[in-house]
Amino acid sequence: DPKIIQKPKYLVAVTGSEKILICEQYLGHNAMYWYRQSAKKPLEFMFSYSYQKLMDNQTASSRFQPQSSKKNHLDLQITALKPDDSATYFCASSQGGTGKAEQFFGPGTRLTVL
Amino acid sequence: GNSVTQMQGQVTLSEEEFLFINCTYSTTGYPTLFWYVQYPGEGPQLLLKVTTANNKGSSRGFEATYDKGTTSFHLQKASVQESDSAVYYCVLGGTGGYKVVFGSGTRLLVSP
Repeated sequence: DPKIIQKPKYLVAVTGSEKILICEQYLGHNAMYWYRQSAKKPLEFMFSYSYQKLMDNQTASSRFQPQSSKKNHLDLQITALKPDDSATYFCASSQGGTGKAEQFFGPGTRLTVL
Repeated sequence: GNSVTQMQGQVTLSEEEFLFINCTYSTTGYPTLFWYVQYPGEGPQLLLKVTTANNKGSSRGFEATYDKGTTSFHLQKASVQESDSAVYYCVLGGTGGYKVVFGSGTRLLVSP
């Protein structure tokens, strides 16, 4: 059974619209993260949460807003979508978040903005 | 600030050849260091992890040694297989916060 679920797997959106990327983890972890990977580019850290509280935010744009309704959920709302937002978005989790813990990644959501 | 450098964007080898992927880091203190591997169409997964307590890590035939003197954490494998083709990331664990720093990744292509 998948331990980290990301929905949807593929998403196509039009410029200016808003989308929510879903992430649920069933590993019992207290820390969750979002990363972005654009085509041919390395993984880029976006946010980290611990016990549903924001710990780090490396995303300059306020168009990206994490939402944590439950301890094992960390969704990502993206507003006013732009073609440059096209990328694969990975959710990850870890037990503890001091930088010593292994992070487990979900399968990703591939977002295409037209 | 913390940073990780992987100079090799791509490494191309034939099966059974020796693999060496360079990684250097910059930070204060003695962080935990990781190598993650990402296969096509998947998220990254941990390959190995090394703390200052043990200095060397190994997994699935891969080895990495934590060298505080040269601030390096190179990845090696004696004999690669075609199934090792993937992107390898050197990762610096945060020394106080929740953020880890991923290197730019090295794509390994192994031909049969």
